[in-house]
Amino acid sequence: DADVTQTPRNRITKTGKRIMLECSQTKGHDRMYWYRQDPGLGLQLIYYSFDVKDINKGEISDGYSVSRQAQAKFSLSLESAIPNQTALYFCATRGQGADTQYFGPGTRLTVL
Amino acid sequence: AQSVTQPDIHITVSEGASLELRCNYSYGATPYLFWYVQSPGQGLQLLLKYFSGDTLVQGIKGFEAEFKRSQSSFNLRKPSVHWSDAAEYFCAVGGNTGFQKLVFGTGTRLLVSP
Repeated sequence: DADVTQTPRNRITKTGKRIMLECSQTKGHDRMYWYRQDPGLGLQLIYYSFDVKDINKGEISDGYSVSRQAQAKFSLSLESAIPNQTALYFCATRGQGADTQYFGPGTRLTVL
Repeated sequence: AQSVTQPDIHITVSEGASLELRCNYSYGATPYLFWYVQSPGQGLQLLLKYFSGDTLVQGIKGFEAEFKRSQSSFNLRKPSVHWSDAAEYFCAVGGNTGFQKLVFGTGTRLLVSP
């Protein structure tokens, strides 16, 4: 089984809808991240969390919110989706003191 | 400010030929450097990383990268490319303190011709 899973893998929604993307990990890592990838661009950080009580905004957090329900789960919400939020979204994890982030398979979101 | 430049958007290499993907970075402290690969429909997989020590690092799938501090570069190489190497490659720089903000390059898409 994959260490970092994301659901759904693909989602098509309409402008104005609320949508939640979920990330779960079995690596036991305390740090979790949400990134967005647009064609021709690198990954941009949306939110990151040190643990369930510590959540921080990244460089492009406007229009997004997150919830760290447990150490293993980190959800990303779009309260009112808009077309320019169409992108590939990645979750990543990292252990305390570790040097590498491990990425999930991504969720492809299309907002019509 | 931290930044990563991957000057080549696309590269086409014949199968069996050698490969070099370029990466230049700007970072205010000792950089931690990474190469990730993204195969079609897949997430990002770590190929290799550099933190300190020997400036030539070996990774998975036969890849290697060389850190050159004087040139602020961390180029990825492979002596003989296989068709399965066709993918998008991302260079990233960050630190190992705190939350480790990674800055990614825009990626290089590798096409392998027969």
